[in-house]
Amino acid sequence: AQSVAQPEDQVNVAEGNPLTVKCTYSVSGNPYLFWYVQYPNRGLQFLLKYITGDNLVKGSYGFEAEFNKSQTSFHLKKPSALVSDSALYFCAPLIKAAGNKLTFGGGTRVLVKP
Amino acid sequence: GAVVSQHPSWVICKSGTSVKIECRSLDFQATTMFWYRQFPKQSLMLMATSNEGSKATYEQGVEKDKFLINHASLTLSTLTVTSAHPEDSSFYICSAREGVGQGYGYTFGSGTRLTVV
Repeated sequence: AQSVAQPEDQVNVAEGNPLTVKCTYSVSGNPYLFWYVQYPNRGLQFLLKYITGDNLVKGSYGFEAEFNKSQTSFHLKKPSALVSDSALYFCAPLIKAAGNKLTFGGGTRVLVKP
Repeated sequence: GAVVSQHPSWVICKSGTSVKIECRSLDFQATTMFWYRQFPKQSLMLMATSNEGSKATYEQGVEKDKFLINHASLTLSTLTVTSAHPEDSSFYICSAREGVGQGYGYTFGSGTRLTVV
């Protein structure tokens, strides 16, 4: 079965420290992987995606993610977190076999403390 | 960039009434739109795929007679929650693809908070 996992429900980090949000996937073939962020009572905003090419993908707001095929991971990272980064983050592989639908992980709540 | 507009942002309705939520792609045409439901502190659950000019495809366990989807044009899909009950209270989000290639991402609406009293 094709799936995605975000093992941490919540990540707490001090402002200025590095932030990592973990994501592992189980998708057949070459996966397309997305990260989205959701602020309270809002829709999802696109951060970045991996389609092919360089394993390190740079996205919006200083975020980046590294595609690791051997570990089937696509962790989201930011070198220096801001309080405004506090939000809900979703990893989402594109399931081609399911008609190119996004399948969302459970989400990870990030709390950046001043 | 691509923009998806969703209205209303929030709605309160009485039990037994119906509520319509609109999802519009403002600067692109979307042959396919998606409707999600999100419970508090939970992930998004895909409810259905809305296809322009044809019937929506519902995910397993989603009542198609309860959640009516209409995609009458390339820029508008609507979700109608019929005979709403308190258990239908949730956050509903729509999304649309900017293109047909597999590399295209999805743009999301800002969501609709439905409260049934």
